[in-house]
Amino acid sequence: QSALTQPASVSGSPGQSITISCTGTSNDVGGFNYVSWYQQHPGKAPKLMIYDVTKRPSGISSRFSASKSGNTASLTISGLQAEDEADYYCNSYTSSSTYVFGTGTKITVL
Amino acid sequence: QVQLQESGPGLVKPSETLSLTCTVSGGSINNYYWTWIRQPPGKGLEWVGYLYYSGHTKSNPSLKSRVTILGDTSKNQVSLKLSSVTAADTAVYYCARVVVSGWYFLSWGQGTLVTVSS
Repeated sequence: QSALTQPASVSGSPGQSITISCTGTSNDVGGFNYVSWYQQHPGKAPKLMIYDVTKRPSGISSRFSASKSGNTASLTISGLQAEDEADYYCNSYTSSSTYVFGTGTKITVL
Repeated sequence: QVQLQESGPGLVKPSETLSLTCTVSGGSINNYYWTWIRQPPGKGLEWVGYLYYSGHTKSNPSLKSRVTILGDTSKNQVSLKLSSVTAADTAVYYCARVVVSGWYFLSWGQGTLVTVSS
C-alpha cells in the first residue's frame, strides 16, 4: 500500500488560514469515512486532531476543521497560531482492513 | 484515562528479532484493538499492525510476515516482535489504542527508539 500524498510543507502568518491536502485512492480515503488527522510536535507522540473525516475530539480547538471530496481529504487550520507549528499526518482505514498514513506536512508559522 | 508505555531493548543487531512491550494502565486490553506504529528518525509515520484482544491480527503488507503481535491479558500488555531486522527498521515505535467505531488512534504511548546496528 502506498502512503497517502500530502504537501511536504505549508506556511502561513499568524491569524491566517491554511489547508493541508491528503490524497489517496478509492481503496482508502475515497472508500471510507475513516480519515483521521494527527499533530506531532518534535520529540512528542502524535496527537489526534480529527477523526471520522470531520469530527474533533474533546479539547481540540474549533480552529481545526476538515473535509473530504472524492479521494482527497483536507485539514484547515484557521486563525493560525505559533503553537500550531508542527508536523501533521493524515491516516485512512483501507479496503484491506489495514491503515495507511500520509507522507506528512510540516506547518511553519511565519 | 488509559495510559500506554512502550519498553524494550534500545539496540538490536541486524538479522535478529526486535521485541517490544506495551503496558496498558487505567484500562483493560480486553475488548479493544491495539496497534503499533513506527517512525524512522526524521521521517513519517508508518502503520505496523494491530491486534484485537481475542487474537485477531493484521499487519502492514510491506513488512510481509516479519510481524507478530500478541496480547497478554494477565499482564495487560501487548507485544510486538519484528524478525530479521535491518537498519531500515530503526525507528521510534509507538503503541496506541484503536477506537473501533471510527478506526482512529486516540491514546498513544510516548514511543521508544530502537536502533538496529551491529
